[in-house]
Amino acid sequence: DTGVSQDPRHKITKRGQNVTFRCDPISEHNRLYWYRQTLGQGPEFLTYFQNEAQLEKSRLLSDRFSAERPKGSFSTLEIQRTEQGDSAMYLCASSLPPRLAGTKNEQFFGPGTRLTVL
Amino acid sequence: SQKIEQNSEALNIQEGKTATLTCNYTNYSPAYLQWYRQDPGRGPVFLLLIRENEKEKRKERLKVTFDTTLKQSLFHITASQPADSATYLCALRKAAGNKLTFGGGTRVLVKP
Repeated sequence: DTGVSQDPRHKITKRGQNVTFRCDPISEHNRLYWYRQTLGQGPEFLTYFQNEAQLEKSRLLSDRFSAERPKGSFSTLEIQRTEQGDSAMYLCASSLPPRLAGTKNEQFFGPGTRLTVL
Repeated sequence: SQKIEQNSEALNIQEGKTATLTCNYTNYSPAYLQWYRQDPGRGPVFLLLIRENEKEKRKERLKVTFDTTLKQSLFHITASQPADSATYLCALRKAAGNKLTFGGGTRVLVKP
């Protein structure tokens, strides 16, 4: 399977615990995005990487959230001191480099990690 | 603030009919408008992109229109099939940006 993969698919944690999610993008994609989606809503942008550089962060990304992409391949999203309001689906997406994507810049989404904070 | 609105009520439609979904936006000047399909428990899947200088785009049984004066896009599924049942999301992107700003989605249920 050459699509975007995310791990784990489901995570249940207690309030106050730290959690880390992993995203493996499509191999030739140098852009990687994180979104958060709550029930009945559309995805909300969290952050974006081009290669290993984090180029944009949403105000939604509080100081308890940190994302990394150390080698420009896979990415991790860590949430510290989880709160019940963090319960959501965390989606990762990737896209081609600009010279190949053109204006279309289609983002390919992974299956998401569903986080439940008790 | 930016707002993207899609009909939150589910659209129930008989197989073979045309489903029409709306996406309205305010306080936003998108260069591109995209439509995605999302099935339960899965990530969105790209369907179509239309640029601000395009009026209409078609792909198989799908048609998208884009009216930047009305700040509205219409998404049509013609000859609908039960397999078209899903949530459909519209997403906007600025010319110089990469992030997508999504609407809340509209759930479509096609009955045989």
